[in-house]
Amino acid sequence: SQQGEEDPQALSIQEGENATMNCSYKTSINNLQWYRQNSGRGLVHLILIRSNEREKHSGRLRVTLDTSKKSSSLLITASRAADTASYFCATDANAGGTSYGKLTFGQGTILTVHP
Amino acid sequence: KAGVTQTPRYLIKTRGQQVTLSCSPISGHRSVSWYQQTPGQGLQFLFEYFSETQRNKGNFPGRFSGRQFSNSRSEMNVSTLELGDSALYLCASSLQGFANTGELFFGEGSRLTVL
Repeated sequence: SQQGEEDPQALSIQEGENATMNCSYKTSINNLQWYRQNSGRGLVHLILIRSNEREKHSGRLRVTLDTSKKSSSLLITASRAADTASYFCATDANAGGTSYGKLTFGQGTILTVHP
Repeated sequence: KAGVTQTPRYLIKTRGQQVTLSCSPISGHRSVSWYQQTPGQGLQFLFEYFSETQRNKGNFPGRFSGRQFSNSRSEMNVSTLELGDSALYLCASSLQGFANTGELFFGEGSRLTVL
């Protein structure tokens, strides 16, 4: 079953605009991660935020985490055509305290950035 | 540093056959996880190996199996293939062997088509 539900399912914007994607999850977590995937290829790790953190930045990326609402958002500022990809949130669920390589992924948001 | 290498990249099999997929992790990484990605079910965790031991397993039938060698390379095998096994199979490695799951480094995947 999918832990994360992402919203919106698809997002279309113009270059230079900001893109915001949201993720909700169901169980308590150790951390939440965002990954990017281009056209059915491998996933690329973008950023990890731990359960005791509220906000994290990496270049043009800003991630927030609200554990009380079990939700996270990914903001990409000043989008570029090269940002066109699918974006997935993934949680390291805390059930039993160990996950050993298991991340639970959301269904993803397809982002299209038009030049 | 070379990334995660998966072979073969593409393969076509018929129902009832079996398939073996290979994954070479990043040098020094000892944890290898496998994921299945389909349009309907999304990304689902198959299993994780660390130091030749399976530490975690997802909810897949026994037809799906794997192993890890002393050099950390891993293989997964699917026996008695079904049409529903058509998917992109992704391998991911990580440096740490901690119980919690941090950043995963993914390969480009092996796209399996079952006819």
